[in-house]
Amino acid sequence: DIQMTQSPSSLSASVGDRVTITCRASQSISSYLNWYQQKPGKAPKLLIYAASTLQSGVPSRFSGSGSGTDFTLTISSLQPEDYATYYCQQTYSTPLTFGGGTKVDIK
Amino acid sequence: QVQLQESGPGLVKPSETLSVTCSVSGISVSTYYWSWIRQPPWKGLEWIGYIYYGGSTNYNPSLKSRVTISVDKSKNQLSLKLSSVTAADTAVYYCASGGLEGPIDSWGQGTLVTVSP
Repeated sequence: DIQMTQSPSSLSASVGDRVTITCRASQSISSYLNWYQQKPGKAPKLLIYAASTLQSGVPSRFSGSGSGTDFTLTISSLQPEDYATYYCQQTYSTPLTFGGGTKVDIK
Repeated sequence: QVQLQESGPGLVKPSETLSVTCSVSGISVSTYYWSWIRQPPWKGLEWIGYIYYGGSTNYNPSLKSRVTISVDKSKNQLSLKLSSVTAADTAVYYCASGGLEGPIDSWGQGTLVTVSP
């Protein structure tokens, strides 16, 4: 199985801050990396797929980068509605696996 | 627009079989990939498996001996069955569109299934 490791597991940030979350795969997954946002009591929502492609309707302050084993999700200017948990996921091979999540809360 | 709606029993007894159904609208279940994903309370996401093109399946090896995913084309529904459940199977169960090489791009709202005597 491909292990996905996210860091940090949690962070505190203020509105307007630039936030960066990293995800590392235990082996190369090319660009088969997706990012999701989940708010309490809700289903995850797709933000970015194929490492860097913004899903339709997602604000442009979200961006993704990376390939191979190292990936990054960046929120350029954190907004109140961005407080949530973020997960990375690889769809390179089965079993599909998720990172452990990064909780972003208010500083 | 694809919409998914899960329905489940809420409570299942240990050693019994958990069954969850997902009604799909906006697209035929005979096309594309359809995944089941679960999330134990206050924990992360676990992929259970997917079915694609209306019949072929791929399961997480950690659950493979207990899982069956199927489709009912006449009702445009997906089905998940998990046998011999224990408390560790307590989770919110999601159906979703997508699978290998592509993102999970649409999710149902999820249904909580609790395993308890």
